Amino acid sequence: KAGVTQTPRYLIKTRGQQVTLSCSPISGHRSVSWYQQTPGQGLQFLFEYFSETQRNKGNFPGRFSGRQFSNSRSEMNVSTLELGDSALYLCASSSGQGQETQYFGPGTRLLVL
Amino acid sequence: SQELEQSPQSLIVQEGKNLTINCTSSKTLYGLYWYKQKYGEGLIFLMMLQKGGEEKSHEKITAKLDEKKQQSSLHITASQPSHAGIYLCGADFWDSNYQLIWGAGTKLIIKP
Repeated sequence: KAGVTQTPRYLIKTRGQQVTLSCSPISGHRSVSWYQQTPGQGLQFLFEYFSETQRNKGNFPGRFSGRQFSNSRSEMNVSTLELGDSALYLCASSSGQGQETQYFGPGTRLLVL
Repeated sequence: SQELEQSPQSLIVQEGKNLTINCTSSKTLYGLYWYKQKYGEGLIFLMMLQKGGEEKSHEKITAKLDEKKQQSSLHITASQPSHAGIYLCGADFWDSNYQLIWGAGTKLIIKP
């Protein structure tokens, strides 16, 4: 099975712009979770989507949003970018049924200038 | 606030030596995961522990979850350069809803 893929792998934006990141889960997985990783804050949970619905949400401002499509692919959008949004954004997929392992993609590194 | 404490924050170990990384919580863990990350890359799943007292091994890596399900340790025997990276523990928490919480990570450097 192909693993979780994320595009793009690297991205440079300027403050005030918006960005959309994409995540394709492992085939058959219906849950996609998004995480932000920074040196200062470590790995922080953004939100989880399951069957096109947001099922869980972390403590991030409304500038961070996401969606999931019928094929389970997910996108994350950050509007009005701030310097502090520079981070590695990871997505993880799982079947979404109960307690189980999440499989992570390689991440998208976002640099906001 | 960080609900999972990992220690040490970083570790430099001579190749061939053993090492242990700890992950501690003030709350009962319903599931504890160990992942490894090479700098700037995604996370690679190592092991998952669910039951108190559970122990799992894969090659030279052994992970244990204590009986109270509040502390886990990851032990590497006869370390190799391929073990270098950042080790993260994650755990399932149930509060108002479900979340997967992460430790801050332990950076492991192997000296040849």
